[in-house]
Formats: sequence, C-alpha cells, structure tokens
Amino acid sequence: QKEVEQDPGPLSVPEGAIVSLNCTYSNSAFQYFMWYRQYSRKGPELLMYTYSSGNKEDGRFTAQVDKSSKYISLFIRDSQPSDSATYLCATNAGGTSYGKLTFGQGTILTVHP
Amino acid sequence: GAVVSQHPSWVICKSGTSVKIECRSLDFQATTMFWYRQFPKQSLMLMATSNEGSKATYEQGVEKDKFLINHASLTLSTLTVTSAHPEDSSFYICSARDNSGASYGYTFGSGTRLTVV
Repeated sequence: QKEVEQDPGPLSVPEGAIVSLNCTYSNSAFQYFMWYRQYSRKGPELLMYTYSSGNKEDGRFTAQVDKSSKYISLFIRDSQPSDSATYLCATNAGGTSYGKLTFGQGTILTVHP
Repeated sequence: GAVVSQHPSWVICKSGTSVKIECRSLDFQATTMFWYRQFPKQSLMLMATSNEGSKATYEQGVEKDKFLINHASLTLSTLTVTSAHPEDSSFYICSARDNSGASYGYTFGSGTRLTVV
C-alpha cells in the first residue's frame, strides 16, 4: 500500500464548476499536508499547506485535513481554464523545515471553457 | 519568495554519455536539496537527499554510482547522470529546503527533461 493514495483522474469539468480533489494517507505520523500544482513540463508550485486537522482558505482554494480519517482535500471554486494542471498532494512528518515529502500520484484536471 | 533555478530545462544526449543538471538557490541558502524523477503521468519519486558538504542519501533502488550528486555549496547542487541509457529518459526535478523561515520550507526547480537516444 502506498503511503499516500490519490486518484489520478483525469478529471474534466466545465468552467465555473467546483472541483474536489482528494487524497488518503496511511502514516499517522504525517502532520503537514500540502497541495502542489504542476503545469506540464514544469516543477510543482505550492498552493496550500496545512498543519494537522482543519481548514485553510486562500482565494478560490480551500484545503481540508481530517486526521481522524486520514483524508485530505482541496476544493477549487469557480474553476478556470488556467486551473488545468496536475494537482499533487504531499505530506511530511517532520515539520515545515525538515524531512522529505511523500507525494500522491497526482490528479490531472482539465477545466474546459 | 524563494527561487530555485534549474538548468538545463531540457537536454538530449547520446546513450553512454553523461549529463549534468544544476540547481541553484537564488536568494536563500539551501542546506538540503532533494532530487526527484518523474515519469509521464506519474508522481514525483524521490531519488536522493543531499546536505551541503556531506554525501547524499539515496533512496532504495537508486544507483548512487549512476546518479552522482554533489552539494558542495549552500547555493548549488548538481545531479550527474553517468553513462546514460534510454531508460534514464525522464523529468528530473530538484527541491531545496529553505531553513531561514522566510518562506515555506520546500521550493522546486522548474525541472529538466532528459532524453537519451
């Protein structure tokens, strides 16, 4: 079993839709949870990060973590064609400044006009 | 914010030759650098972790003699793919950890697409 599981999709939605992306993880030691966006042939860029359980909102993006069920989510409101990318969830156990990241497989999202 | 400059962005080389990929942290000191490879439509797979001035720690299954990592300074790390073969063709990405507290810990380079012919 992979430490972080993510449905690879692909996911295709119309512009303006609410997108829900999800990951599950198995290691209870994970405390920091991140979402990265990766455009084709580019490195990942950090979208959101959260510590432990709870919600965090930044513009059209909301990240949720439920440590009791080991479930993390990213919601994108009013999705735009420019949101078309691969979205990767990632976790680590050691805090923000040390420890390697464990990535999910990535979900390919296409937002069509 | 923190920036990691990775070069080249793409490279084509002949089988049997070596290729060097550079990653530089532009505005922070990268005490730790992570090197990943990514196959099409797959996630990032960690290859090795390097700390400035010490030997890299390789993940299981990664050949350290084939993928040479040098992290001689706080702003530069290099990955050399030696005696490259077509199966080494992949997307290689570095990530540097910024411990200054000025930004969240991990910044990624823009990646290098290696094609071995």
